[in-house]
Amino acid sequence: ELKVEQNPLFLSMQEGKNYTIYCNYSTTSDRLYWYRQDPGKSLESLFVLLSNGAVKQEGRLMASLDTKARLSTLHITAAVHDLSATYFCAVEMGTASKLTFGTGTRLQVTL
Amino acid sequence: DAGVTQSPTHLIKTRGQQVTLRCSPKSGHDTVSWYQQALGQGPQFIFQYYEEEERQRGNFPDRFSGHQFPNYSSELNVNALLLGDSALYLCASSLYGDYGYTFGSGTRLTVV
Repeated sequence: ELKVEQNPLFLSMQEGKNYTIYCNYSTTSDRLYWYRQDPGKSLESLFVLLSNGAVKQEGRLMASLDTKARLSTLHITAAVHDLSATYFCAVEMGTASKLTFGTGTRLQVTL
Repeated sequence: DAGVTQSPTHLIKTRGQQVTLRCSPKSGHDTVSWYQQALGQGPQFIFQYYEEEERQRGNFPDRFSGHQFPNYSSELNVNALLLGDSALYLCASSLYGDYGYTFGSGTRLTVV
């Protein structure tokens, strides 16, 4: 059974600092997704990573994928308060398949 | 271009009752998946519908059932509600054979 783990579960960081969220998964996958969720809200798609070595960047967020290590990272550069949210990674095996989500990382950026 | 629409947004039910949640997929999408997200947890896959058939199912009891209509919209039914069914229920639509999912805003179900 596919398992997806994220760490840390909770991250409090100061504005302007850099940090990385890690996502490990247990078996070979085809795609890896990163989502953002604000409290009580739905999931906002951030990135879809399709192949080994894939790197995508949007603003202060950069995601990468290492399929050999079964590891994806979400790097936050110079954090700002607006980035406070819960971030989930999700793994998909096959096409038109289900997503298996990680436990989530709750990010709190303090002023 | 409308995204994924879910109704109702909030619902309170009593243990033992039945509930129906509804989802209209994003225009151009033909596949609907349902997820349950308990408080403080990641979403858990319930099932997926394509061509009006259940294609995949997660580890949920058969109290959870669904349906997809010819216009691709979908319903999630839960019978004999338990307190543990209280959660945010998310609908995600996609195009079969392609990657990428669009999530709706969810239905918050509270069972008392």
